[in-house]
Amino acid sequence: QVALKESGPVLVKPSETLTLTCAVSALSLSNARMGVAWIRQPPGEALEWLAHIFSTDAKSYNTYLRSRLTVSKDTSNNLVVLTLTNMDPADTATYYCARLGQRLGQYYFDFWGQGVLVTVSS
Amino acid sequence: DIQMTQSPSSLSASVGDRVTITCRASQSISNSLNWYQQKPGKAPQPLIYAASGLQSGVPSRFSGSGSGTDFTLTISSLQPDDFATYYCQQSYSDVRFGPGTKVDIK
Repeated sequence: QVALKESGPVLVKPSETLTLTCAVSALSLSNARMGVAWIRQPPGEALEWLAHIFSTDAKSYNTYLRSRLTVSKDTSNNLVVLTLTNMDPADTATYYCARLGQRLGQYYFDFWGQGVLVTVSS
Repeated sequence: DIQMTQSPSSLSASVGDRVTITCRASQSISNSLNWYQQKPGKAPQPLIYAASGLQSGVPSRFSGSGSGTDFTLTISSLQPDDFATYYCQQSYSDVRFGPGTKVDIK
């Protein structure tokens, strides 16, 4: 059974760097066309895609957050890592990782982690 | 940058109703449109991929249609488990979600 699980701090201070880890089970990050994305959702608001990374190491970032985001993978441990620098209270959100599946030639998020709520406060 | 809109932003409906949610892209995205259902406190779950493909395990009362800029998610007969928020998402150019449509009980 495919599973993804996010881990990281639940509280960060303004200006600090957030580092989140997504552990993937039952799928290898080295599989062809395997991709994992990060998506966040502020309380009561809509979903916002942040970034994704493929097994080829190809990466894509949200245009508006690109300068603050880094996504990487640790294939040997089947982990995907997201860093977001210079955290602000507006970054308070539930952060999800999700697998990028492909059907009919289109990518979509077919498996999701449970999410981790990160609060930014001094 | 492709913008996504959804209408309505919320709706009230009764069990058994036919419900239609519309998603519009600011430019053509072919069939690169997916739909998700999210319940409070839970991660979103996929319903429809590539505009009209039904995700495995999703009841057949859910259907999707459209191409280009205009897309529709239809629930043919609303069930108690369907009260949730629905998001469209384009994957044509990077990724962008719509603002969501909340479906609640009338």
